Amino acid sequence: GAVVSQHPSWVICKSGTSVKIECRSLDFQATTMFWYRQFPKQSLMLMATSNEGSKATYEQGVEKDKFLINHASLTLSTLTVTSAHPEDSSFYICSATTSGRPDTQYFGPGTRLTVL
Amino acid sequence: QKEVEQDPGPLSVPEGAIVSLNCTYSNSAFQYFMWYRQYSRKGPELLMYTYSSGNKEDGRFTAQVDKSSKYISLFIRDSQPSDSATYLCALGDTGFQKLVFGTGTRLLVSP
Repeated sequence: GAVVSQHPSWVICKSGTSVKIECRSLDFQATTMFWYRQFPKQSLMLMATSNEGSKATYEQGVEKDKFLINHASLTLSTLTVTSAHPEDSSFYICSATTSGRPDTQYFGPGTRLTVL
Repeated sequence: QKEVEQDPGPLSVPEGAIVSLNCTYSNSAFQYFMWYRQYSRKGPELLMYTYSSGNKEDGRFTAQVDKSSKYISLFIRDSQPSDSATYLCALGDTGFQKLVFGTGTRLLVSP
């Protein structure tokens, strides 16, 4: 149980285009989903916390107009990177929890974004 | 100063060795301590979770917390090549709105 999937697992796009990443909780209902970014040899950095049916809460320094997060249902959250640039190339990981607490979050396998 | 410091490694050990992985932190508000294992290009998976000083054991893994020194450790006994991965510590404060992760230590266990 407690499986989280992400799609796509790997995406390459041209600079200036938008990319959507899906995060799904397959066998549980996730009241809260977290989105992280991880650069090579660096830590997971929390980008935003999203609760089903409400606006995401973004961490300081994360541009909400660039990283659009939608959590429309208890099993699906999406992250859209708008007008992507090479510096947005990174590993994006989502996690989901039923409790709203980050200590019980289950991570997805991640999506590698490469912007050319 | 980072909130959580962790040596990125890599740490190379022979199979069967005892491995010690460590994190130090500066914020005494951290009360929850977790260790995650992350294989290459995969999401992290929770290994150990503790919220008190002392030791917690689970199979070959032992998590140790010293709040007075702001120092946490993960010990792996009888290490196996399949343990080769990056190990991240993660800390939560009493408000527990989010976790703060260490950079991760890359462990390589050679057969």
